[in-house]
Amino acid sequence: EPEVTQTPSHQVTQMGQEVILRCVPISNHLYFYWYRQILGQKVEFLVSFYNNEISEKSEIFDDQFSVERPDGSNFTLKIRSTKLEDSAMYFCASRADRGNQPQHFGDGTRLSIL
Amino acid sequence: GQQVMQIPQYQHVQEGEDFTTYCNSSTTLSNIQWYKQRPGGHPVFLIQLVKSGEVKKQKRLTFQFGEAKKNSSLHITATQTTDVGTYFCAGLYFGNEKLTFGTGTRLTIIP
Repeated sequence: EPEVTQTPSHQVTQMGQEVILRCVPISNHLYFYWYRQILGQKVEFLVSFYNNEISEKSEIFDDQFSVERPDGSNFTLKIRSTKLEDSAMYFCASRADRGNQPQHFGDGTRLSIL
Repeated sequence: GQQVMQIPQYQHVQEGEDFTTYCNSSTTLSNIQWYKQRPGGHPVFLIQLVKSGEVKKQKRLTFQFGEAKKNSSLHITATQTTDVGTYFCAGLYFGNEKLTFGTGTRLTIIP
């Protein structure tokens, strides 16, 4: 069964450094998402992306965050200057098309900011 | 704002007992999805409910969507140790792309 894949599985970074989290969505999917989950808390929406542009973003997704689809397969989340509170699991998800299709999640990247 | 509340936060049951988790939205949903997350894992899609009053079953799991499309429940009959994990509901609102997750119910099974 096709899967969403994310790399790396764990990223440790010094506060203030830039990080790029990578995702390869399921190949025929058109909608892409980033969510995060702080340890022990619920999953929170960050951003959705369709047709090479952001379609929706949350208040968490401030100017420090950006997303990109640099080629036909990768979908990246960049955090420009990390803060301690950015430590979380970051999940990428993708969906086939508009309408009632579920979002499929990757295994996540655990981001630890020191 | 659009919020999805979920109760209980934790549930400990003896193996073989039933388990239910409830979700409630502040406003009407387009649809609701249920996910299971094992410790250290990622949310795994279980099911999606779209229609008012819809009931779906997957083996020992029964999912319901309320008539007003503002609440939902997941019921597990005769729990097994493999059911351990956190169950999240996630609502999709009309005109939105994002899933709004509930706070989750963490299920632990006492063998």
